[in-house]
Amino acid sequence: SQKIEQNSEALNIQEGKTATLTCNYTNYSPAYLQWYRQDPGRGPVFLLLIRENEKEKRKERLKVTFDTTLKQSLFHITASQPADSATYLCALGGASGGSYIPTFGRGTSLIVHP
Amino acid sequence: KAGVTQTPRYLIKTRGQQVTLSCSPISGHRSVSWYQQTPGQGLQFLFEYFSETQRNKGNFPGRFSGRQFSNSRSEMNVSTLELGDSALYLCASSFGQTSYEQYFGPGTRLTVT
Repeated sequence: SQKIEQNSEALNIQEGKTATLTCNYTNYSPAYLQWYRQDPGRGPVFLLLIRENEKEKRKERLKVTFDTTLKQSLFHITASQPADSATYLCALGGASGGSYIPTFGRGTSLIVHP
Repeated sequence: KAGVTQTPRYLIKTRGQQVTLSCSPISGHRSVSWYQQTPGQGLQFLFEYFSETQRNKGNFPGRFSGRQFSNSRSEMNVSTLELGDSALYLCASSFGQTSYEQYFGPGTRLTVT
């Protein structure tokens, strides 16, 4: 069965450093991968989408890589700030019967210390 | 543009009761998906509606049902509530048939006692 793995342990980093979060998957050939941010008690917020034929995507301080050979995505936040502290979810999906239903990982908590 | 809204935000129910949750998508969005989020299972897909038709369904018992109205607003219903149904229920809307980017509402926190 499809499996998405994100580090369950919180990632603690100092302000100004680059945070790198990992999303690994098995038994899956996604057409695209997404990253979401979720704050406690709130719904996830879409951040970035990267397609299977793209290696890297950037948006402001965010960078996502997608390696379909390794079945892995890395999510980077450069110059991290305490406000970046949240849980980050990766989601994989592919067109199925004309519809796209993403499968979410459990998320990794990021804590940025001032 | 207003975001996805969900009502109510918090709900406490007793085992055996039923509950209806409501979701209003972003204006112009035709797809609405529902998810259940718990600490143990993470975000689990319940069902998706597009133009009033259920397009996809997750692996949940028949006690969980939903519908979508002509204005794209959606409701989900859970009958015969169980303690394990306590969770954050999230609604997400997206624009078209290939719903890549999903926009989530704040969720409804359901507690079953």
